[in-house]
Amino acid sequence: GQNIDQPTEMTATEGAIVQINCTYQTSGFNGLFWYQQHAGEAPTFLSYNVLDGLEEKGRFSSFLSRSKGYSYLLLKELQMKDSASYLCAVMDSNYQLIWGAGTKLIIKP
Amino acid sequence: DVKVTQSSRYLVKRTGEKVFLECVQDMDHENMFWYRQDPGLGLRLIYFSYDVKMKEKGDIPEGYSVSREKKERFSLILESASTNQTSMYLCASSLESGPTYEQYFGPGTRLTVT
Repeated sequence: GQNIDQPTEMTATEGAIVQINCTYQTSGFNGLFWYQQHAGEAPTFLSYNVLDGLEEKGRFSSFLSRSKGYSYLLLKELQMKDSASYLCAVMDSNYQLIWGAGTKLIIKP
Repeated sequence: DVKVTQSSRYLVKRTGEKVFLECVQDMDHENMFWYRQDPGLGLRLIYFSYDVKMKEKGDIPEGYSVSREKKERFSLILESASTNQTSMYLCASSLESGPTYEQYFGPGTRLTVT
C-alpha cells in the first residue's frame, strides 16, 4: 500500500529552528510537496522537490532523498505566525497526490 | 492570484438530504479535485476531473457524485447525506501540466450532517 508518515505534533520556540520529517512509500514518485494549513483555512503551497537535495526559499527549506523515501521541511527563525499544520504529499506514478495526516506545529514565545 | 471559491463555509444538513457543494476557479485550470479532510487523517480524494464532463473516482467515491458542466465549476453531490459524511470538504484545482503540478485550494466547506 501507499503510506506517508509524519509526526502528529511538534512544539518549538519563537526564533528557533524546527525540522519536520516525512517518510513515504508510494507506487512511483513524481515529486513531493509541502503545504501549510492554518487552522480553519485552506492548505497553501510551500515547496516541491523532485530531485534529491535541498531547496531553499527564504526561511523555509525542503530536502529530499528519493533513495531513502525521506523528506524534511526546515523552518528557521520561527515566528508565531508559523503555528500551523504542515502537510507532506507525494505524487505517485499516476500523478495522484498521496497525503500525510499533517504535523501540527505549535510555536511558544 | 489564483482564486478557488466554494459556495459555503459552513453547512448543516439532515440525514437523507441531497447536498450540493459548489466550487469555482478563475484560472482556467484543467484539473479539479474534491477532497475530504478529517482529524488525524490525510486529505482523501473523493473525485477529480481532467476536463469538462470528465470525472474519475478517487479513493473514497462511495456516497458521492460530481458534475463538471463548465471548465471553471466542479460540483460535489451527496445523494443522501449520512452522519459519517460530516467533514471538511476541500476543492482544489491545478494546471494539466507544469513544473510543479501545484494544487490551489478553496477555503473549504465544513459540513455537519445531523
